Amino acid sequence: DTGVSQDPRHKITKRGQNVTFRCDPISEHNRLYWYRQTLGQGPEFLTYFQNEAQLEKSRLLSDRFSAERPKGSFSTLEIQRTEQGDSAMYLCASSIGTFYNEQFFGPGTRLTVL
Amino acid sequence: AQSVSQHNHHVILSEAASLELGCNYSYGGTVNLFWYVQYPGQHLQLLLKYFSGDPLVKGIKGFEAEFIKSKFSFNLRKPSVQWSDTAEYFCAVNADYKLSFGAGTTVTVRA
Repeated sequence: DTGVSQDPRHKITKRGQNVTFRCDPISEHNRLYWYRQTLGQGPEFLTYFQNEAQLEKSRLLSDRFSAERPKGSFSTLEIQRTEQGDSAMYLCASSIGTFYNEQFFGPGTRLTVL
Repeated sequence: AQSVSQHNHHVILSEAASLELGCNYSYGGTVNLFWYVQYPGQHLQLLLKYFSGDPLVKGIKGFEAEFIKSKFSFNLRKPSVQWSDTAEYFCAVNADYKLSFGAGTTVTVRA
């Protein structure tokens, strides 16, 4: 399968715990994006990378959130000291870095914070 | 910052009916416009896109969309829906590499 993959698909955690999600983009895509989607809403942008450089972070991304893409391939999104409000679907997407910027989405990681 | 507004939250219609979903965006510069679809249990998939040129764009599964620059609109249409078109539809705008999505429209097609 050559699409975007995400792991885990589901994560249930207790409030205050740390969680980490992984995204593997399509192999030739140099841009990687993280979005968050809550019930009844469209995805909201969190952050994106071009290769290993994190180019933009949304104001939605509090200091409890950190994302990395250490070798310009896979990326991780970590949430520290989770809160119930962090419960959401976390989506990863990748694209080739041109302005004609079709993004391909992964299946998402559904986080439930108890 | 750009924003996207989708007019309908939930649309219910019968097979063979025509579908039109409204989308308006706010951004003064050059934009790329997209419609994504999410079928039950599946991930977001691109339905169609507009970058430039002919404002009437055709996508997969018989969908089309019309870009009207003066109205800042990018409405999605399908002349005759099928039960398999039951899904959530998202309009999105890309002005600076990241996508801004509307809240989505849930479409339920009754057999």
